[in-house]
Amino acid sequence: GQQLNQSPQSMFIQEGEDVSMNCTSSSIFNTWLWYKQDPGEGPVLLIALYKAGELTSNGRLTAQFGITRKDSFLNISASIPSDVGIYFCAGPYTGTASKLTFGTGTRLQVTL
Amino acid sequence: DTGVSQDPRHKITKRGQNVTFRCDPISEHNRLYWYRQTLGQGPEFLTYFQNEAQLEKSRLLSDRFSAERPKGSFSTLEIQRTEQGDSAMYLCASHRAQETQYFGPGTRLLVL
Repeated sequence: GQQLNQSPQSMFIQEGEDVSMNCTSSSIFNTWLWYKQDPGEGPVLLIALYKAGELTSNGRLTAQFGITRKDSFLNISASIPSDVGIYFCAGPYTGTASKLTFGTGTRLQVTL
Repeated sequence: DTGVSQDPRHKITKRGQNVTFRCDPISEHNRLYWYRQTLGQGPEFLTYFQNEAQLEKSRLLSDRFSAERPKGSFSTLEIQRTEQGDSAMYLCASHRAQETQYFGPGTRLLVL
């Protein structure tokens, strides 16, 4: 089946630093989604990408849909304490309206 | 609050007992998904409804699990004869066709 691998698994950074994480797949995706999950809560959608090469921003977050359609990147600029959480990439098996497969997650810790 | 809601948020039960969880999707969303998330992992697809029809079930959904969406609105997920391996966060998500999924806060189940 499809697998999404995220790296790094975890990151410890200082407040104000920029963060980069990526997600790679063994299969082509037509949509890439980035979610953030706080402890004890459900995932919250951050950014959705629909076209290869697309670069999309949401505040301090920027994500890119890789041109091979097998990878995606998420960058967070000037991190703040509330950025702490687990970041997941996800993609639908087919099209947009489909069950999602999730990556393994990147745990972000921000120190003051 | 017009988001996806789930009830209960936490459930502790003894092995062998039956449990039932409820999900109320966003009102105009005709598609509803159940996912299971174990510690340190991303959510994994369990089953999917379009309106009241259950269209797909994962092989993760053993015969002890049953899900319903009787009127195409809220959904229930029942686990019979719970086992310790059923301990996980159970997440519900909903969306309209061609849109991305929005997740509820989840129900955390602990089987003793």
